[in-house]
Amino acid sequence: SQQGEEDPQALSIQEGENATMNCSYKTSINNLQWYRQNSGRGLVHLILIRSNEREKHSGRLRVTLDTSKKSSSLLITASRAADTASYFCATGEETSGSRLTFGEGTQLTVNP
Amino acid sequence: NAGVTQTPKFRVLKTGQSMTLLCAQDMNHEYMYWYRQDPGMGLRLIHYSVGEGTTAKGEVPDGYNVSRLKKQNFLLGLESAAPSQTSVYFCASRGLRGSNQPQHFGDGTRLSIL
Repeated sequence: SQQGEEDPQALSIQEGENATMNCSYKTSINNLQWYRQNSGRGLVHLILIRSNEREKHSGRLRVTLDTSKKSSSLLITASRAADTASYFCATGEETSGSRLTFGEGTQLTVNP
Repeated sequence: NAGVTQTPKFRVLKTGQSMTLLCAQDMNHEYMYWYRQDPGMGLRLIHYSVGEGTTAKGEVPDGYNVSRLKKQNFLLGLESAAPSQTSVYFCASRGLRGSNQPQHFGDGTRLSIL
């Protein structure tokens, strides 16, 4: 079963708008990671947030983590058409060591 | 920098045939993983390896075997392909320094079983 559940499943916005995607999970984690997948390509790592961190920034990306609610959000500011992709959260769990568990993803479409 | 390379990129098999998917990484990573991705689903872990000569089962290991004879290579085998194994297969690798490390992915192998 999937650890992460992402919301929404699909999101369509205009260029320049902000996009927010949410991820919920069920077990205790070491870290939570966000990946992007362009059509027909592999996943690309975007950002990692540790379980003792609450917020992290990287360029136009902002990730928050609320371990009490077992949830995370990814905010992409000032979106561009090139941001069109699927976005996945993945959790590194305390008991699984080296493994990640992926959510089902959010398909983001940014319209020019 | 090649990173993670998967071969082949596409393959069509008949039910019952066997084949091996190859994953090669040039980053000297200890950990390697095989996932499958099906429509509407995230990635599901098939098998993984924490070092040369080691393998372990993931979430959906049935029908697959793996080998890690060399540190840079991780092979995924289908002994008797079934239509349910039609999927996109991704290989990933990760460095050893602590558990808070990202995984690096190949571009996938698209496999169809007729």
